[in-house]
Amino acid sequence: KQEVTQIPAALSVPEGENLVLNCSFTDSAIYNLQWFRQDPGKGLTSLLLIQSSQREQTSGRLNASLDKSSGRSTLYIAASQPGDSATYLCAVFKTGANNLFFGTGTRLTVIP
Amino acid sequence: DARVTQTPRHKVTEMGQEVTMRCQPILGHNTVFWYRQTMMQGLELLAYFRNRAPLDDSGMPKDRFSAEMPDATLATLKIQPSEPRDSAVYFCASGLVLETQYFGPGTRLLVL
Repeated sequence: KQEVTQIPAALSVPEGENLVLNCSFTDSAIYNLQWFRQDPGKGLTSLLLIQSSQREQTSGRLNASLDKSSGRSTLYIAASQPGDSATYLCAVFKTGANNLFFGTGTRLTVIP
Repeated sequence: DARVTQTPRHKVTEMGQEVTMRCQPILGHNTVFWYRQTMMQGLELLAYFRNRAPLDDSGMPKDRFSAEMPDATLATLKIQPSEPRDSAVYFCASGLVLETQYFGPGTRLLVL
């Protein structure tokens, strides 16, 4: 079974700082990896999707990288803002499993 | 803009009662997923449908849970009888391909 781990579970940073969220997975046979954002009481919003053949994806202040061989992904957020405060989840789509496997998330707080 | 809708948003019920959660997928999406999110387990896939046919419900406790798609615009998840351990947020997601899913806002269930 695919295990997805996110460290740290919670992170607080002052506004303006750059930060990195980490995701690791045990089985490198993945089709893609996604980073989602979840606001309190809300559903999940997909932020970035990296195909297994790619090494990174960028959207605005967000950059996600993927190292499939080592089972790791990072989400880099530049110049953090209070509006970035949310829980960030990574999920891998395992080849043949027809299923997304989610990490337990990192709760980010950006302090004004 | 198109989005997945779920009703009710909140449900409080007593142990032993039947609970029905409803989901309206994005028009045109042929794949529908049900997830459960708890603090301890994170997000877990319960079941998913393609073209209204159940493809995988291995994550669902069969004795009390049932999922159906009466038509292309409605998916239901029922729990009968409900138990306190069923308390969680239940998410519906829809998509055109398995690896790209759009999430609804969730139904927050509390079983007393």
